[in-house]
Amino acid sequence: QKEVEQDPGPLSVPEGAIVSLNCTYSNSAFQYFMWYRQYSRKGPELLMYTYSSGNKEDGRFTAQVDKSSKYISLFIRDSQPSDSATYLCAFFSGGYNKLIFGAGTRLAVHP
Amino acid sequence: ETGVTQTPRHLVMGMTNKKSLKCEQHLGHNAMYWYKQSAKKPLELMFVYNFKEQTENNSVPSRFSPECPNSSHLFLHLHTLQPEDSALYLCASSQEITGSYNEQFFGPGTRLTVL
Repeated sequence: QKEVEQDPGPLSVPEGAIVSLNCTYSNSAFQYFMWYRQYSRKGPELLMYTYSSGNKEDGRFTAQVDKSSKYISLFIRDSQPSDSATYLCAFFSGGYNKLIFGAGTRLAVHP
Repeated sequence: ETGVTQTPRHLVMGMTNKKSLKCEQHLGHNAMYWYKQSAKKPLELMFVYNFKEQTENNSVPSRFSPECPNSSHLFLHLHTLQPEDSALYLCASSQEITGSYNEQFFGPGTRLTVL
């Protein structure tokens, strides 16, 4: 079983749609849960991170963590063409700041 | 320059060539990382440096040789590569490496093609 599972997509939605991106994980030791956004020809940039189960909201973005189910989600409300990118989930379990990444989901928001 | 910069942005090399990738961070961080990103695969951590000292080598083949002369610069020396080494090589930096999470800031990457 892979440590992190993430559907690679691509996911294509119309502008204004609500987008749901998800990852499952198997390692109970993961402490921090992150979402990175990577535009084409750019490096990943941190979008949001959470430490505990529950929801965290930042503008149009909501990160959700369910530790009991080992499942994290990123919701994007009122999606915009500028949200078109690859979204990577990432996990931290301590030690030398080592992050475990999902393979990324490619999202395309069309006008 | 701001953030994390990488040069060159694109590199094409033959299997017998020797080349180097360069990374520079302008954030005053003490830790630097090399990652490999292949299509539809998760980012793979290759090397970690903290205060110029290598703290992790994630079973990377010896044809990849890192060098960290100071906390701001990181190099990846390449020799005798294989076509399967073609990928996007990302550099990142963070304030430090401790038991708690330190945000990693990524550069734009070097797109490497091995012929």
